[in-house]
Formats: sequence, structure tokens, C-alpha cells
Amino acid sequence: DTAVSQTPKYLVTQMGNDKSIKCEQNLGHDTMYWYKQDSKKFLKIMFSYNNKELIINETVPNRFSPKSPDKAHLNLHINSLELGDSAVYFCANSQGQGGIQYFGAGTRLSVL
Amino acid sequence: AQSVSQHNHHVILSEAASLELGCNYSYGGTVNLFWYVQYPGQHLQLLLKYFSGDPLVKGIKGFEAEFIKSKFSFNLRKPSVQWSDTAEYFCAVNAGNMLTFGGGTRLMVKP
Repeated sequence: DTAVSQTPKYLVTQMGNDKSIKCEQNLGHDTMYWYKQDSKKFLKIMFSYNNKELIINETVPNRFSPKSPDKAHLNLHINSLELGDSAVYFCANSQGQGGIQYFGAGTRLSVL
Repeated sequence: AQSVSQHNHHVILSEAASLELGCNYSYGGTVNLFWYVQYPGQHLQLLLKYFSGDPLVKGIKGFEAEFIKSKFSFNLRKPSVQWSDTAEYFCAVNAGNMLTFGGGTRLMVKP
């Protein structure tokens, strides 16, 4: 079983569309994250949830809305996709906010 | 706000050469330090971590890193690299419950 699974792995869509990326972890950890990795491989945190509550929201446009239905899931919904949203999005999780973070395989989003 | 700097953006080495990748951070308080590796097309995997104790930490695949508090540094080393070490390496610092990554170092090992 994969500890952190993201779906889909690849997502190609047109500008203006709305799309969602799902993340599930089976490690029983209480904190989940979304990161964006741009074309230059720079990784930046977008959101952090601890026990389903939003902890960190790092100046992300409000077109991005994370949703955590339970501790094991943190989904990312993106409205009105723009060209600049093209990136690889990584889900991660940890036990506590200072612990080791375990990353999913990433979702490569291409906006055309 | 904390920041993490990795000075080497691209490193090219021949097999069996020694490796040292620099990492410096700016944060005056207690930190947890990490090195992650991202092999081509894959997700990030933890190489090693420092939370407390011995400042010289050993990780997987023969990697080690040394925390020097006075220099705010956490450099990654490997005495003899292999072709399979070709990857992107990220230093990360957790302070105040937020993990901040450096810009990454792309390592290419020539066979």
C-alpha cells in the first residue's frame, strides 16, 4: 500500500476550467500539506492542515481551496485555472507540525 | 521569516568523486533540519534529518550531514558518489512549524 497517494498523476486542462486533486494518507498522521513545485524545481508550501483545521495559508490566490473532510484526506480544488498554475503539486503529511514530512508522488498539472 | 539557501544550483561530478552540498538558513531559534532527494520523475524522499544531539547525522545511501549551529549550516556530504545519485537535492528547515525548502541542487554524476 502506498502511504501517500495522489490522484490524478497527470492533469491536462484548458485555461478557465475548474479541477481537483485528491490526496489520501494511511499513516494516521494528523497534519497534511500541499506544496507547489514550479518549472525550476522550487518548492513552496501552499497550505497546511492539522486535524482538519487550516494552519498555514501562504499567500495563495483564493482560486485555490483546500478541503479536508477527515484527517486522512486533503483535497485541492482550483477554480478558473491559469497558465501560471502549471506545476507539480505535492501532497505531504507528518505527525505533528515539526516532524518528518512524507510526500506523495505528485500531480503534474498542465494548463493549456 | 526563515529562509534557506543552497549555494550550488548545479553540480557535475564523476563517479567516485566526493560530494559536499552547502545549505545555510536564517532563523535564530530551534530548528529541525532535513535533506530530501528527488530522483528524476519521482517524489521527494527523506535522506536524513537533524532534530537534536550529535550534530553529525548519517542518512541512507551513505549520505551524512553536519549541523554547525554557529554557521547556521547543514551541509550534505558523501565520500564517493555513484551514477545512481543523480537527482535533485533539497535542504529544508522546520522552524515555527513551517517547513521551508532551499532552491535545490541538481546533481549529475557522470559514469
